[in-house]
Amino acid sequence: ETGVTQTPRHLVMGMTNKKSLKCEQHLGHNAMYWYKQSAKKPLELMFVYNFKEQTENNSVPSRFSPECPNSSHLFLHLHTLQPEDSALYLCASSQAGSGAPGGEKLFFGSGTQLSVL
Amino acid sequence: DAKTTQPPSMDCAEGRAANLPCNHSTISGNEYVYWYRQIHSQGPQYIIHGLKNNETNEMASLIITEDRKSSTLILPHATLRDTAVYYCIVRVRGRIQGAQKLVFGQGTRLTINP
Repeated sequence: ETGVTQTPRHLVMGMTNKKSLKCEQHLGHNAMYWYKQSAKKPLELMFVYNFKEQTENNSVPSRFSPECPNSSHLFLHLHTLQPEDSALYLCASSQAGSGAPGGEKLFFGSGTQLSVL
Repeated sequence: DAKTTQPPSMDCAEGRAANLPCNHSTISGNEYVYWYRQIHSQGPQYIIHGLKNNETNEMASLIITEDRKSSTLILPHATLRDTAVYYCIVRVRGRIQGAQKLVFGQGTRLTINP
C-alpha cells in the first residue's frame, strides 16, 4: 500500500462515452501527477498539479481533462477517446519543494487499465 | 535533464547480487540520480537516490562513480520478487514550490531466476 489509491482498477469504454478516473492520496502531499503508460512504451508525464494549480500540461489532447479540487484528490475526465488512448493511467503524489533528503520521492498508485473500444 | 542509458534486460540468479548499470555522461553538478522500479501491472516504486556519495537503504545500494558519469544499483540478495523494470533517472532536485517532473526511459528489465 503506497498511500495513493486509484479507482477504478479497470475500465472499458466506448469512444462516445464520458468517464472519470479518480486518484486520492493519504500522504499529506502537495503535488499530484498523471502519467500514461502505453504497451511497451515508457511512462509519459501528462499533467502536474502543485498546490492544486496545474503547472504542467505535456501537450495532452483536450479529450483528457484533469481536475484537482484539493491537494488530496485528482481526477482525469475522459471523453470521446480513441482506441490508441488505451493504456495504464497512473497517478502519483509527492511533497514538492521539500528540503529533506528523499523529499522528491514520487508515490504511485496501482493505476487504471483503460481499454477504449 | 541529463539522458540516461541502461541495458534493456538483465538476468540474475536468486540469492546473488544484482548489479544494474546506468550511464549518465551528460549529468550536471546539481542533478541527482534516482532509481525506481516497476513490478508488472503496478505503479513505479521509489528505491533510492543520490548526488555523489554512495547511498544505502533497506532496499538497495547506489554506487556513483567519482566523475558521476555512471552509477550502479545493487540489490545485494536478489529474490524472485525483485523481478521488475528498473528505471534510472537524473533530475535536478526540486526547488521551493516546484513539483517533481520525473521523465522515465525504457529502463532495464531484470529477471531473477530460481
